[in-house]
Amino acid sequence: EPEVTQTPSHQVTQMGQEVILRCVPISNHLYFYWYRQILGQKVEFLVSFYNNEISEKSEIFDDQFSVERPDGSNFTLKIRSTKLEDSAMYFCASMIAWGEKLFFGSGTQLSVL
Amino acid sequence: RKEVEQDPGPFNVPEGATVAFNCTYSNSASQSFFWYRQDCRKEPKLLMSVYSSGNEDGRFTAQLNRASQYISLLIRDSKLSDSATYLCVCHFGNEKLTFGTGTRLTIIP
Repeated sequence: EPEVTQTPSHQVTQMGQEVILRCVPISNHLYFYWYRQILGQKVEFLVSFYNNEISEKSEIFDDQFSVERPDGSNFTLKIRSTKLEDSAMYFCASMIAWGEKLFFGSGTQLSVL
Repeated sequence: RKEVEQDPGPFNVPEGATVAFNCTYSNSASQSFFWYRQDCRKEPKLLMSVYSSGNEDGRFTAQLNRASQYISLLIRDSKLSDSATYLCVCHFGNEKLTFGTGTRLTIIP
């Protein structure tokens, strides 16, 4: 079964550093997402991306965050200057069409020290 | 009111028992509904979609009540491997899918 792949599985960084989380969505999917989950809390929406642009973003997704789809396969989340509270599991997800099932990658555990 | 609310849990249920979870949603324009399952420190995985007429997949039954704005999940003959957090997910018609906080289920031998 096709799957969403994310790298790295774990990322440790110092506060104030930039990190890039990488994702390869399922190839024929059209909608791409980043979600995050702080330990013990709910899965929170960050941003959705469709037709090469951000279609929706949450209040969490401030100016420190950006997303890119630099080629036909990769979808990246950049955090420019990490804060301690950015520590979380970050999930990439993709969807073939609007209203359909969302497929998640296995996540990147980000730890900001 | 939260967009998607779930039973608080945790539910500790003996093996073989039947367990049911409810989830309420605030947006009457909700389009699609799903139950996801999440194991500890893993990604959410789709368990089943929820259809207006209700649907069943083996031991799992999902129901949707649009008038009362809730969905439910019933697990029959529960197994140890059913232990997980069950996430109610709603698609409100915009781009994102909104997750409930999840209900933790532990099946006890």
